[in-house]
Amino acid sequence: NAGVTQTPKFQVLKTGQSMTLQCAQDMNHEYMSWYRQDPGMGLRLIHYSVGAGITDQGEVPNGYNVSRSTTEDFPLRLLSAAPSQTSVYFCASSAPGEGPNEQFFGPGTRLTVL
Amino acid sequence: AQKITQTQPGMFVQEKEAVTLDCTYDTSDPSYGLFWYKQPSSGEMIFLIYQGSYDQQNATEGRYSLNFQKARKSANLVISASQLGDSAMYFCAMREDNTDKLIFGTGTRLQVFP
Repeated sequence: NAGVTQTPKFQVLKTGQSMTLQCAQDMNHEYMSWYRQDPGMGLRLIHYSVGAGITDQGEVPNGYNVSRSTTEDFPLRLLSAAPSQTSVYFCASSAPGEGPNEQFFGPGTRLTVL
Repeated sequence: AQKITQTQPGMFVQEKEAVTLDCTYDTSDPSYGLFWYKQPSSGEMIFLIYQGSYDQQNATEGRYSLNFQKARKSANLVISASQLGDSAMYFCAMREDNTDKLIFGTGTRLQVFP
């Protein structure tokens, strides 16, 4: 199993450009989420999904769109990049429900917006 | 609203000594889970240990144990016999079982010295 994969690993954008961060998992997890990590602020939830066709907003959703057409994939779209979106982005997945269903994280995408 | 607080931005510990990393949480949900993750300088997020709100015993995983004090809403991570490889950022996180969302604290940077 590859676990959670993210592409690209690094990306530089100019203000106003759009792009999609890819995330895929092969563990048949229903729950997937996107976080951003900024210095001193820990990981903050952007969007999450509890299954194909179902998405919801997290703590910091503005400027980002998501969709979940399959169980495996959960892409994150930046519609018009801004310097404030410079961050490290992590995708994660887990089985739903109670118990030690820990989230498995991808390796992260380091995004710089100039 | 749920909240995780880690009040120690940085901690130092000598090799082979034990260290406690503090975590307090706030939630109105009676059913929740508490997680600790390690993030080494390479950037990946590594799951360490889980404690459920109804678990009677403190969780242990090898050199990691969780000092769970429910009435005080604290879930401190204890690392015994510290090793140089334990130097990393450590994040406490909480999941309310009715949402599957994981909320993170701001992290503690642990440095282990010889």
